[in-house]
Amino acid sequence: KQEVTQIPAALSVPEGENLVLNCSFTDSAIYNLQWFRQDPGKGLTSLLLIQSSQREQTSGRLNASLDKSSGRSTLYIAASQPGDSATYLCAVTGANSKLTFGKGITLSVRP
Amino acid sequence: ETGVTQSPTHLIKTRGQQVTLRCSSQSGHNTVSWYQQALGQGPQFIFQYYREEENGRGNFPPRFSGLQFPNYSSELNVNALELDDSALYLCASSPSTTRGGKNEQFFGPGTRLTVL
Repeated sequence: KQEVTQIPAALSVPEGENLVLNCSFTDSAIYNLQWFRQDPGKGLTSLLLIQSSQREQTSGRLNASLDKSSGRSTLYIAASQPGDSATYLCAVTGANSKLTFGKGITLSVRP
Repeated sequence: ETGVTQSPTHLIKTRGQQVTLRCSSQSGHNTVSWYQQALGQGPQFIFQYYREEENGRGNFPPRFSGLQFPNYSSELNVNALELDDSALYLCASSPSTTRGGKNEQFFGPGTRLTVL
């Protein structure tokens, strides 16, 4: 059974700091990994998708890496801003087509 | 291009009642998945529909059922509601040229269900 872990559960940083969010998964047989952003009470916004054959993806200030063999992914946020405050979830797609999510990391960027 | 939409936004029901939630997939997407997100938790997979057929189901009882229509919109039905069914219900659509739906999934805003 696939399990996705995100530690820590919460993170508070000052504005301008570069930060790394970590995600680990137990079964390396995945098709892809997605990072999502969720604002309180809202749906999920897809940030980055990494196919299992890829090592990283970049979008603006965000960079996500994937090491499938070790079951790890990181989301790097450069020059954090208060508007980046949200919960960040990672999820992997397995052979049964479902997304398995971690519990998320709640990020607070202080002005 | 219209994104994924869900209705209603909020819903309050009492224990034992039945509820139907609706989802319109993004244009060009033929695969719809439903997820349940309890407070403080990550979303949990309920089931997926591909071209009107169920294509995978998570660990949810049979009182959770669904439909997908020819226009690829979808419904989630929950019978005999329990207090623990209170959650945010999320719908996601994805394009798929083959059965399996392993492409990027795009989520709607969700329906907040409260069971009293």
